[in-house]
Amino acid sequence: DGGITQSPKYLFRKEGQNVTLSCEQNLNHDAIYWYRQDPGQGLRLIYYSQIVNDFQKGDIAEGYSVSREKKESFPLTVTSAQQNPTAFYLCASSKGQGATDTQYFGPGTRLTVL
Amino acid sequence: GQNIDQPTEMTATEGAIVQINCTYQTSGFNGLFWYQQHAGEAPTFLSYNVLDGLEEKGRFSSFLSRSKGYSYLLLKELQMKDSASYLCAVLDSNYQLIWGAGTKLIIKP
Repeated sequence: DGGITQSPKYLFRKEGQNVTLSCEQNLNHDAIYWYRQDPGQGLRLIYYSQIVNDFQKGDIAEGYSVSREKKESFPLTVTSAQQNPTAFYLCASSKGQGATDTQYFGPGTRLTVL
Repeated sequence: GQNIDQPTEMTATEGAIVQINCTYQTSGFNGLFWYQQHAGEAPTFLSYNVLDGLEEKGRFSSFLSRSKGYSYLLLKELQMKDSASYLCAVLDSNYQLIWGAGTKLIIKP
């Protein structure tokens, strides 16, 4: 079955620690996105990548880092520099940007800072 | 700035019809998406409109008026499983999705 997987589903972090959220897709999509969702707000774009070994900052990239070494994978690291990291993180993919492609979402990771 | 407005919450009765509105002000327009999101889950795609008019897909229909910067999602024959948040998102001139905060729909028996 093709799809997008994210792990873990729930993640707890102590202040000052970096954590990495996994995003894997086997849909053969070129574009992958990371969003953050907070209560009462729309999804906000953190980073996105249209091709392997290349990625762009979204609206709220500060305190986050990514890598795109493989087409299938786009892990997100939440660093200690992120002031308020507690949120629901969603990964999505689409065939390719520059087109009106539908984005398909993974199940999400809920990150809580203790 | 870019802005998407949706009502925060709506309540409807099982079996009835409900219309969820979305107004937008964005830099350019390359289409409007509606997604459904159940609590704690990922958004799932419902519809895409790029031309004016009504697109019907089963119990769900989506309407677009580009001149008015307005769309609505129409849900007919409401079922309890339709209780969810409905997200409106606009693809701007840079092909970036701008998201509304979502409308939480509560269905009562």
